[in-house]
Amino acid sequence: GAVVSQHPSWVICKSGTSVKIECRSLDFQATTMFWYRQFPKQSLMLMATSNEGSKATYEQGVEKDKFLINHASLTLSTLTVTSAHPEDSSFYICSADRQATNEKLFFGSGTQLSVL
Amino acid sequence: SQKIEQNSEALNIQEGKTATLTCNYTNYSPAYLQWYRQDPGRGPVFLLLIRENEKEKRKERLKVTFDTTLKQSLFHITASQPADSATYLCALMNSGGYQKVTFGTGTKLQVIP
Repeated sequence: GAVVSQHPSWVICKSGTSVKIECRSLDFQATTMFWYRQFPKQSLMLMATSNEGSKATYEQGVEKDKFLINHASLTLSTLTVTSAHPEDSSFYICSADRQATNEKLFFGSGTQLSVL
Repeated sequence: SQKIEQNSEALNIQEGKTATLTCNYTNYSPAYLQWYRQDPGRGPVFLLLIRENEKEKRKERLKVTFDTTLKQSLFHITASQPADSATYLCALMNSGGYQKVTFGTGTKLQVIP
């Protein structure tokens, strides 16, 4: 099956610093990738849809200046949490849609972000 | 408002029995419904998709039913094994072209040896 690689698996940073998370589709080209955050015992909440070569589409309530998304190639999307604060601590997961139908999403392994 | 509800309480079941998980939704007209498995600290893994015009789908020990009148999907794991212990998420995409997939909160299944 298709593989989506997400890096790093976990990161601890100081408040005020920025953190970059990478999401790569290893064996297919992904025109569209998705970024989610998940709090303990809660569902995945879609943050934004990342489109290759164009601006990301953010969900309501998600600050685009705080969560910068770059989808520079068909296999790589990055999420940068800028000026991180403790309330940004969460599990961030990316997914890619191999067939552009949303019928089967392939997820990365997630990144646990802890902001001190 | 739109809701996808799964039993938030953990489901404990004896090994070898059939586990049945429920997904109810309101104010959606789904084109299809998906089930994913999520292990702790990991991303979800796709299991099955069932379309609005399908009643039932099977894959090995898994069975999914979809009742658009009741607005409910049931997910069954037969002959459950301890390795089936995980959180199971249902997700759906509304009809009307390419739209985002929305996830339920998941039900944690524990299969007891």
